[in-house]
Amino acid sequence: DAGVIQSPRHEVTEMGQEVTLRCKPISGHDYLFWYRQTMMRGLELLIYFNNNVPIDDSGMPEDRFSAKMPNASFSTLKIQPSEPRDSAVYFCASSLQEPPNYGYTFGSGTRLTVV
Amino acid sequence: KQEVTQIPAALSVPEGENLVLNCSFTDSAIYNLQWFRQDPGKGLTSLLLIQSSQREQTSGRLNASLDKSSGRSTLYIAASQPGDSATYLCAVTVGSGGSNYKLTFGKGTLLTVNP
Repeated sequence: DAGVIQSPRHEVTEMGQEVTLRCKPISGHDYLFWYRQTMMRGLELLIYFNNNVPIDDSGMPEDRFSAKMPNASFSTLKIQPSEPRDSAVYFCASSLQEPPNYGYTFGSGTRLTVV
Repeated sequence: KQEVTQIPAALSVPEGENLVLNCSFTDSAIYNLQWFRQDPGKGLTSLLLIQSSQREQTSGRLNASLDKSSGRSTLYIAASQPGDSATYLCAVTVGSGGSNYKLTFGKGTLLTVNP
């Protein structure tokens, strides 16, 4: 398996623009997580899905952020409009049903820079 | 709210030394604990996963222990090598009802192994 695939690897955009980050989880994994990593706050959970259904979005910073999972093999995280403080590395992770037994697999991340 | 703390924040050792990284968590009701490695500009690589019923896991030169009742875990690295230089992250899985789980991270320990 190719693992969790994220695109793009790097994104530089101007403030106010819309940004879409993409993730393809490992086939057969039922859980998908979006995390954000910054120097100040470390890794923070933004939202996660179980069988394509959003379960907990309490970590989403504000209404500018939205996430979708239209099918079991694809998810997007959208920021509109983007702001410089959104600059961070965004990670996607997936896990099998009942993750306590199997742990989590992370993608390589998308480094977002908003100027 | 679960909080995960890692001490020290940074550690520098000469090659060949044995070393211990520490992780503590505030809520002992965890399902598992996972140690990750993160290289600069890269994603997270899972090193060891310890279920709540287990006391330790070993992989090569790495040994992770878990004392759930006291909320502590240690990652022991034997005979350290320059290639071990990376940030090591500890994360715990907690349940939030039903099929819902969350992975909460510490901020990591930056390890530098000097030749």
